Amino acid sequence: GGIITQTPKFLIGQEGQKLTLKCQQNFNHDTMYWYRQDSGKGLRLIYYSITENDLQKGDLSEGYDASREKKSSFSLTVTSAQKNEMAVFLCASSIDGVGQNTLYFGAGTRLSVL
Amino acid sequence: GDSVTQTEGQVALSEEDFLTIHCNYSASGYPALFWYVQYPGEGPQFLFRASRDKEKGSSRGFEATYDKGTTSFHLRKASVQESDSAVYYCALGDSNYQLIWGSGTKLIIKP
Repeated sequence: GGIITQTPKFLIGQEGQKLTLKCQQNFNHDTMYWYRQDSGKGLRLIYYSITENDLQKGDLSEGYDASREKKSSFSLTVTSAQKNEMAVFLCASSIDGVGQNTLYFGAGTRLSVL
Repeated sequence: GDSVTQTEGQVALSEEDFLTIHCNYSASGYPALFWYVQYPGEGPQFLFRASRDKEKGSSRGFEATYDKGTTSFHLRKASVQESDSAVYYCALGDSNYQLIWGSGTKLIIKP
């Protein structure tokens, strides 16, 4: 089996700050994802990457940058944290897309902005 | 665009009760449908999928049947346990790389 490791587990930032979240997977999966989870809402896709050095925007990409420099890692940057923002950011991976494949998730990074 | 609707935000049951969590979708063709479960402090975990009309998916005592006629994929379990307390998400495969997620249903099991 494999595991997805997200760091940090908790992130407290200041309004306007640039914040970076990291994700590592050892499944050797091609595709990786960043989702945002807000209380009472479903998961919303921020960015995904089909393979190393590829980046695709999801519906929620505004205000975020992403980077996939290695097959095993995928980072997400909040370009300017919004005051009172609270959300969980989930990283996931799959062998090749989600149509016929399982998504595996990390435990999440919990963001609070003061 | 495609969408997934979970009507119950929260369901509270006692142990050994029968569970139904409703999931309806809107999409053309035969999209793949999924159920994921999320325990506190963890990311969602895959339960099962179905991709053809009348196909049944099942895992850990949970099951759902793909129904094209009613555009539904309702989650059921005959006898819930306290350990089933979690948030359950229905999702639809919008393309090979994107899932459309329902808003989630929190299941609370009273001991």
